[in-house]
Amino acid sequence: QSVLTQPPSVSGAPGQRVTISCTGSSSNIGAGYDVHWYQQLPGTAPKLLIYGNNNRPSGVPDRFSGSNSGTSASLAITGLRAEDEADYYCQSYDSSLSAVVFGGGTKLTVL
Amino acid sequence: EVQLVESGGGLVQPGRSLRLSCAASGFIFDDYVIYWVRQAPGKGLEWVSSISWNSVGIAYADSVKGRFTISRDNAKNSLYLQMNSLRVEDTAFYYCAKGIVPTIAPQNWIDSWGQGTLVTVSS
Repeated sequence: QSVLTQPPSVSGAPGQRVTISCTGSSSNIGAGYDVHWYQQLPGTAPKLLIYGNNNRPSGVPDRFSGSNSGTSASLAITGLRAEDEADYYCQSYDSSLSAVVFGGGTKLTVL
Repeated sequence: EVQLVESGGGLVQPGRSLRLSCAASGFIFDDYVIYWVRQAPGKGLEWVSSISWNSVGIAYADSVKGRFTISRDNAKNSLYLQMNSLRVEDTAFYYCAKGIVPTIAPQNWIDSWGQGTLVTVSS
């Protein structure tokens, strides 16, 4: 059971917008710790997608955006493309555990 | 270009030990905190351990505390994970990953990952 809760799967058609939620608690997201997002394409290592809640590393398209509010964060992907099909993970820090924590991951299927 | 290359994985019996290594290149190794993150086959990511640039700051997940030891050799641009008393549930791909600052800090994130090495614990 992950400290950060993500939906196991989401799906959308090409061109559509999808969001992936990441629900935490008062000891992680709710405490003000930043949320970061990673994309893991099939058979590959994770890759940084969003850092510091809503910042994109160089090379990440602006179709990807992050936000957070209260004890939750969200990743939004607009203009869905087939190559976006991957697993997505949120990550933060938990002060009660004194640990880096990941969400359980969300599999995005592009229909 | 940042490169992180893990090695040392393999098949090991429960209760035995294994030592993983990670060779880093393409950046100033001793300027950054480095992590081990694992992923059981078909499962999600799990943070294992972190080590600061000077090895003073070290942290472990509760699931490995007392069994695993992280270390680094800045002269060799290398990271290590000594895994003792291995359990079946330690079976996973182990990723070496680079942080963005020298010290362990709550707001850190990972900006580069290795390709991982598979550790299988089975009798």
